[in-house]
Amino acid sequence: DTGVSQDPRHKITKRGQNVTFRCDPISEHNRLYWYRQTLGQGPEFLTYFQNEAQLEKSRLLSDRFSAERPKGSFSTLEIQRTEQGDSAMYLCASSAGGRRNTIYFGEGSWLTVV
Amino acid sequence: QKEVEQNSGPLSVPEGAIASLNCTYSDRGSQSFFWYRQYSGKSPELIMFIYSNGDKEDGRFTAQLNKASQYVSLLIRDSQPSDSATYLCAGDTGNQFYFGTGTSLTVIP
Repeated sequence: DTGVSQDPRHKITKRGQNVTFRCDPISEHNRLYWYRQTLGQGPEFLTYFQNEAQLEKSRLLSDRFSAERPKGSFSTLEIQRTEQGDSAMYLCASSAGGRRNTIYFGEGSWLTVV
Repeated sequence: QKEVEQNSGPLSVPEGAIASLNCTYSDRGSQSFFWYRQYSGKSPELIMFIYSNGDKEDGRFTAQLNKASQYVSLLIRDSQPSDSATYLCAGDTGNQFYFGTGTSLTVIP
């Protein structure tokens, strides 16, 4: 257990529905990342926060995806109008930043769109 | 586009042997590199990080970095069946970590 918590761990939803995932990072970490991973692939970067500021967002991310970190603590990732191609594991990671930045992943949230 | 290339494998080694995993990266500006282990259905787990050219040892694991060749490797000595997993190589741009597709390792008892 790295100390990064994700909820829910599993979500099955019908196509077209909205889903939201929550991530609670390690408490002293000011950086938070979201990744998506499908079978046989490495984690794909989605977005990055430093405190409450969203500093980078993947150009691959469609407008149906939005992420927030309102108080610089927990973060949410919302997917609107889900599609079957959104089925994946959504990974949250956090880090303390600095010169020797290292990220630690949560256990992931599995999304299945039917 | 920052990229990491890994041989997807599968790589099979007998128990007790040395497993050698390699990756190359495209971004010369990346300073830090990481190896994560991922068991099937689980999230990636940090094994090693390396920032300087040369070798870094931690128990049975040795990471090697050659910035001139843009090459990172991981050696696992005395491989155990519990080492069977996918190993992900990653680089850090400062704003994001970018990952390879992973190398699947099987250690045969």
